[in-house]
Amino acid sequence: QVQLQESGPGLVKPSETLSLTCTVSGGSITNHYWSWVRQPPGKGLEWIGYIHYTGNTNKNPSLNSRVIISADTSKNQFSLKLSSVTAADTAVYYCARDTKSYYESSGDGLDVWGQGTTVIVSS
Amino acid sequence: DIQMTQSPSSLSASVGDRVTITCRTSQTISRYLNWYQQKPGKAPKLLIYAASTLQSGVPSRFSGSGSGTDFNITIRSLQPEDFANYYCQQSYHTPWTFGQGTKVEIK
Repeated sequence: QVQLQESGPGLVKPSETLSLTCTVSGGSITNHYWSWVRQPPGKGLEWIGYIHYTGNTNKNPSLNSRVIISADTSKNQFSLKLSSVTAADTAVYYCARDTKSYYESSGDGLDVWGQGTTVIVSS
Repeated sequence: DIQMTQSPSSLSASVGDRVTITCRTSQTISRYLNWYQQKPGKAPKLLIYAASTLQSGVPSRFSGSGSGTDFNITIRSLQPEDFANYYCQQSYHTPWTFGQGTKVEIK
């Protein structure tokens, strides 16, 4: 079965770039879309964006200018970069498999999730 | 963006109770509505997709209904392991958006 594992620094300084990687095991990243979601402490869920291995991406306009999502098929990984971070970017960051079809604009949710990784923005 | 309004924000219930959580969207989304369960310190788990389809392995006491802008998730007979946070999410149009969550607590 497909498993996802996030990795990256747990502490990032303000104004720097947050970088996370999601490693997919038990399946190929070429078969699906892949999303990033975050959850600030004690708050709800916010979708950051998704990527298809072809390079097709879609990002939340609220973060668009600061977000880069990329995929590396050779490593079966996809990554998130969030620039110019502030304390408001402190959150648990999750990667997830997105059921969106390549041929449709809609999907059926995020059906496999990583365990999440906590990122704290602080000097 | 499609706004999601979930209610109630929290509820207290007893084991064996029937519980219903509502999600309303700011525009019609057909049946592209999903429900997640999240326990403390854990990732969300997809329970229901396409408004009423149970994800594989999810107990049949969970059910979903609705279309357009109004949706519900019902837990027929609440079990101890069901006490958690529940979120709705629309996957009709990006950006995907989530409801603010409903905390189901033990009475």
